[in-house]
Amino acid sequence: SQQGEEDPQALSIQEGENATMNCSYKTSINNLQWYRQNSGRGLVHLILIRSNEREKHSGRLRVTLDTSKKSSSLLITASRAADTASYFCATDSQGGKLIFGQGTELSVKP
Amino acid sequence: DTGVSQDPRHKITKRGQNVTFRCDPISEHNRLYWYRQTLGQGPEFLTYFQNEAQLEKSRLLSDRFSAERPKGSFSTLEIQRTEQGDSAMYLCASSHPPGGSVTSPLHFGNGTRLTVT
Repeated sequence: SQQGEEDPQALSIQEGENATMNCSYKTSINNLQWYRQNSGRGLVHLILIRSNEREKHSGRLRVTLDTSKKSSSLLITASRAADTASYFCATDSQGGKLIFGQGTELSVKP
Repeated sequence: DTGVSQDPRHKITKRGQNVTFRCDPISEHNRLYWYRQTLGQGPEFLTYFQNEAQLEKSRLLSDRFSAERPKGSFSTLEIQRTEQGDSAMYLCASSHPPGGSVTSPLHFGNGTRLTVT
């Protein structure tokens, strides 16, 4: 079963623009993580935000978390063609496993 | 490369046959996960191990699926009497969580793509 729902399902932008992806979830969480997946490959961890954190940065990535709304967003600034991939949020609510959302497919056109 | 490795990368089998996949996690990681992913979907949790103990198995998983991690290192996932609906990418991941119950980042292998004809 999937806990997270991502929005939009697909996003197409030009290089240099910012990309924002949103994730909503249903139950209380310990932390929320974002992953990236290139076609035919495994997922790569991008960033983890704990339930007591509201914002976190890593390079061109900015993640926010609103536990009252059970939602998170991932912002990629100054996007590059190499950022083209699928992006997934995943929630840790029971301390054992991660539950992934459906993903956002990002296409960055040069 | 000391990442998570999965074997084989691709497997084509006929309906009704049994298949087995192998995952070698990062050596110091005590947790190992199996996920299944179909096209356009996010990874779906199947099961996970802490060392050699299987701590949770998805209720969605039929009895045809079994996983083992006999020595707390590599793991195998077996699917018996495969069906066309089993066609998917099977992903393995490992992690080394800090003390307590919080999940740490997962390191994924590149998966085994199963096609059941």
